[in-house]
Amino acid sequence: DGGITQSPKYLFRKEGQNVTLSCEQNLNHDAMYWYRQDPGQGLRLIYYSQIVNDFQKGDIAEGYSVSREKKESFPLTVTSAQKNPTAFYLCASSAQQGFNEKLFFGSGTQLSVL
Amino acid sequence: SQQGEEDPQALSIQEGENATMNCSYKTSINNLQWYRQNSGRGLVHLILIRSNEREKHSGRLRVTLDTSKKSSSLLITASRAADTASYFCATDGDGATNKLIFGTGTLLAVQP
Repeated sequence: DGGITQSPKYLFRKEGQNVTLSCEQNLNHDAMYWYRQDPGQGLRLIYYSQIVNDFQKGDIAEGYSVSREKKESFPLTVTSAQKNPTAFYLCASSAQQGFNEKLFFGSGTQLSVL
Repeated sequence: SQQGEEDPQALSIQEGENATMNCSYKTSINNLQWYRQNSGRGLVHLILIRSNEREKHSGRLRVTLDTSKKSSSLLITASRAADTASYFCATDGDGATNKLIFGTGTLLAVQP
């Protein structure tokens, strides 16, 4: 089945620890995105990548880092600099560059702080 | 910043009734999209309506767009318990921001 796979489903972070959220897609999409969702709120864009080896900051990039070494993969690292990391993280992809096409989402990772 | 704001924030109806959700946005757009999210899951794309379209249908879904009022509505007809979810609108902000901006969502509960 084609789609986007996020792992793990649940992740716990200790104080001062960096953690990495995985996102893999087999849709052959060029563009990939990371969003953060807090309870009862909409999605906020963290980072996005339109092509391999290139990515741009979204609205709330501070405390996060990404890489795009392969078309299929767009991992997100939540660093210790992110002081309020507890949230639901969603990865998405779209076929075309830009934001005029529909997004396909993974099933999300719930990150909590111990 | 939020481009779209859905109204109402929460809606509870009985199975078989119609559900209407509204979305207002602030800047001009190229298109507007509606997504659905089941609790604890990712979003699923429902429908995209372009700025030169006024109405679009997909199964039991009907979306309208009024660019003069900067608003859109999503109508779900003959609702089912399985329609229980949060519904989000998202706009492209006319490409000026190069970002798809999501609203805060409407939580729909369909009682069996």
